[in-house]
Amino acid sequence: GENVEQHPSTLSVQEGDSAVIKCTYSDSASNYFPWYKQELGKRPQLIIDIRSNVGEKKDQRIAVTLNKTAKHFSLHITETQPEDSAVYFCAASSDGGTSYGKLTFGQGTILTVHP
Amino acid sequence: ETGVTQTPRHLVMGMTNKKSLKCEQHLGHNAMYWYKQSAKKPLELMFVYSLEERVENNSVPSRFSPECPNSSHLFLHLHTLQPEDSALYLCASSHDLGNEQFFGPGTRLTVL
Repeated sequence: GENVEQHPSTLSVQEGDSAVIKCTYSDSASNYFPWYKQELGKRPQLIIDIRSNVGEKKDQRIAVTLNKTAKHFSLHITETQPEDSAVYFCAASSDGGTSYGKLTFGQGTILTVHP
Repeated sequence: ETGVTQTPRHLVMGMTNKKSLKCEQHLGHNAMYWYKQSAKKPLELMFVYSLEERVENNSVPSRFSPECPNSSHLFLHLHTLQPEDSALYLCASSHDLGNEQFFGPGTRLTVL
């Protein structure tokens, strides 16, 4: 089955700096890669996702890049703000085969943005 | 409340108890999921239902028994749990398999 590795496990930045979180996956059939943000005591919420037919997607201060050849994808947050502090999870799934529709999550990254 | 709801939000039970977790989605979705979230571990997929049929049982012990009576409701029946089963249990739904998943607020379960 799919295996997703996420790094770093913790990330501390100053307000205004950029933050980058990286994930690798093992199943070359995976073609859907969402990122979830989970604030303390709250439910995970989708912040951005990418499918394998594109290499990059951007939404305001958040961007995701995908390298299918290397089987890794990254979350980029620019101009970080204290409210960006949360746990971020990457995930991967495919739209076919035995992993169809089943998200495999990374271990999570605790991002802390210091004012 | 709109979206995905879960009850109860907190549950404390003994190892010999039987309890059930409930999830309801108000989004018209066809797929529903149970996840287990433990401290310092990734979200673990437990069960997947699509159009009320179970399509995945991710090697979950039989002391966890899911039930999906219709596409809007999902239950997780608990029986003779162990202390290591203490975790946050999250329900999610998606329009179909492979689409964006929307999570409920979770049930914080403590097994004494």
